Order: sequence, then structure tokens, then C-alpha cells
Amino acid sequence: AQSVSQHNHHVILSEAASLELGCNYSYGGTVNLFWYVQYPGQHLQLLLKYFSGDPLVKGIKGFEAEFIKSKFSFNLRKPSVQWSDTAEYFCAVGSGNTGKLIFGQGTTLQVKP
Amino acid sequence: DAGVIQSPRHEVTEMGQEVTLRCKPISGHNSLFWYRQTMMRGLELLIYFNNNVPIDDSGMPEDRFSAKMPNASFSTLKIQPSEPRDSAVYFCASSSGTSGGRDTDTQYFGPGTRLTVL
Repeated sequence: AQSVSQHNHHVILSEAASLELGCNYSYGGTVNLFWYVQYPGQHLQLLLKYFSGDPLVKGIKGFEAEFIKSKFSFNLRKPSVQWSDTAEYFCAVGSGNTGKLIFGQGTTLQVKP
Repeated sequence: DAGVIQSPRHEVTEMGQEVTLRCKPISGHNSLFWYRQTMMRGLELLIYFNNNVPIDDSGMPEDRFSAKMPNASFSTLKIQPSEPRDSAVYFCASSSGTSGGRDTDTQYFGPGTRLTVL
């Protein structure tokens, strides 16, 4: 069965620090990969997605993620975080067949000003 | 596009009452998903529909929960009778699903309904 694991449950950083959130998945076939962000009190919004092609994907607000097929990973990065990046981040995997996504348990990022 | 629309945005009810949550997916999307989010359990998929047909309802917690999708533009999630442990934020999401194209998996979430059962 498909599963998604996010390594960090809670991350605390100071502004301008670099961010990397880990995401690993288990699925043997072709996958579509996503990162969603949920700001406090809001709904999930798409941050970036990977379907095929260049494994380095750039999203909104300076975020990027790298798909490493051999490691079954899709880590999220940002070189310099801002206080406004405080949110919960979800990694998700889809197979493209059912439309269903498998979500990780989420990582809460707290950025201190 | 208006995005996914959910109503009501907030609902406060008393234990034992019936609660109905509503969702209007993005026009043209043929997959619809109901999620529940709590601090304790995180984000849980309750049920999803494809072309108005329920495909997987294994996440529905118990018989008190039911969901319908009478047409492509409307879905309801009903809880009867409601209990305090049902208090959560309920999200609806839609995607183009199996309608073809590469972007079939991308789900777009509604603003959610915050349910409080007293």
C-alpha cells in the first residue's frame, strides 16, 4: 500500500535560516508528488507539484522540492525562511489512476522573527 | 473560478442533533473528497467520489456519517446523531480525477467547515 512519511513533526527556525523538510513515500509505480501548505486557520493550498521532467521543481513563495527517485524522496527546501512561512506543510503522493492522494502526517514549521 | 465552496463555514450544535455540511466542487472536476482534520488525528480522508459515485468510504468513522453526491456540482456530508468527538474542521476538495490529462491528481481544497458539537 502507498504511504508517505514526513520525518519532522515540528521544526523551529529563525528568520533567514534555510529550510529542508523531508518526505519519503512508498509506491512502486509512477507517482505524482505534491507539497501543500496550510497557514494558521486556513485551508490547504498547493505549494508545488511534480509530475515528470526536471526533478527540481520550483513553487510559489521561493519554495522548491527535489524528486530523487532512487531514494523515494521529495524534500521541500527554501534557502531563507520568513516569519510568514509559519504554517503546516503536507507532502502527498498520487498514482494518477484514482485521483486519490496519500498525505503525510504534516510538519509544523514555526519561524521566529 | 470561485474554487471549492463549502457551507456553512462554522457550525455549532448540540450533541444528538443532525449536521449537514455542503460542498460545491470546481466546475469540470469529477472527483470529490471529504476530509476531517483534528489536532489528535491530523488530516483524514473520509470518503471520495468519482463521477458522483462513492469509490472509497473506508475512512467514514461509523454509521452516523453518510455522504451523498446527487450531481456533479453538489455533495453533502451528514452526521446523525452528532457527538462531541465529531468536533473538527471538515474539508472538501475536488480534482479533475480520471477525466484525463496530467493534472488529474491535484486537489483543490475548500475553506472548510469548523464543526463544534457541544
